[in-house]
Amino acid sequence: GQSLEQPSEVTAVEGAIVQINCTYQTSGFYGLSWYQQHDGGAPTFLSYNALDGLEETGRFSSFLSRSDSYGYLLLQELQMKDSASYFCAVRDRGGSTLGRLYFGRGTQLTVWP
Amino acid sequence: NAGVTQTPKFQVLKTGQSMTLQCAQDMNHNSMYWYRQDPGMGLRLIYYSASEGTTDKGEVPNGYNVSRLNKREFSLRLESAAPSQTSVYFCASIGPLNYGYTFGSGTRLTVV
Repeated sequence: GQSLEQPSEVTAVEGAIVQINCTYQTSGFYGLSWYQQHDGGAPTFLSYNALDGLEETGRFSSFLSRSDSYGYLLLQELQMKDSASYFCAVRDRGGSTLGRLYFGRGTQLTVWP
Repeated sequence: NAGVTQTPKFQVLKTGQSMTLQCAQDMNHNSMYWYRQDPGMGLRLIYYSASEGTTDKGEVPNGYNVSRLNKREFSLRLESAAPSQTSVYFCASIGPLNYGYTFGSGTRLTVV
């Protein structure tokens, strides 16, 4: 089976940097993804790491260490609009060539002015 | 705009009633998925369809059935709704050249 652990809440102030950690257990690991979800909205894709290392996309970066079954999402220069839930998700190799996505329970980020 | 369309957006059912949630994507994606989201539980996979003509169970399939009608459409059916199925349901799709899933806007279902 799959299990993912991430903190339930994180708070920070505008302009700060915040890191959301994710540890996972899975069979047939294929990649680690991050999604953002605002209240009442749909999850939207942020990043994907299949190999070890850091991926940077604007203010957001994501890191993966497959040997440690660990990853994180780094958000820089925080803005009020970054207040949302952030989910890590593991893609496994089962079911199809594109695998299946299993989500953590989410981290609620609150950005204060 | 290209994307995933879900209908209806809101629904209230009485216990024992049946209904079908509709999902369609216009991105020519092969794989489609149904998730449910409950407070504090994240998103849990109900059923998925790796390609047209195939479907398979996810983490929480009990009480649900699915149909992959064609490449575009993937429906989720509740045959006899129960209060435990009160949730927000999301449909998602992905194609072979993508890294991330595209989600629909969700169906908020209440079973009373």
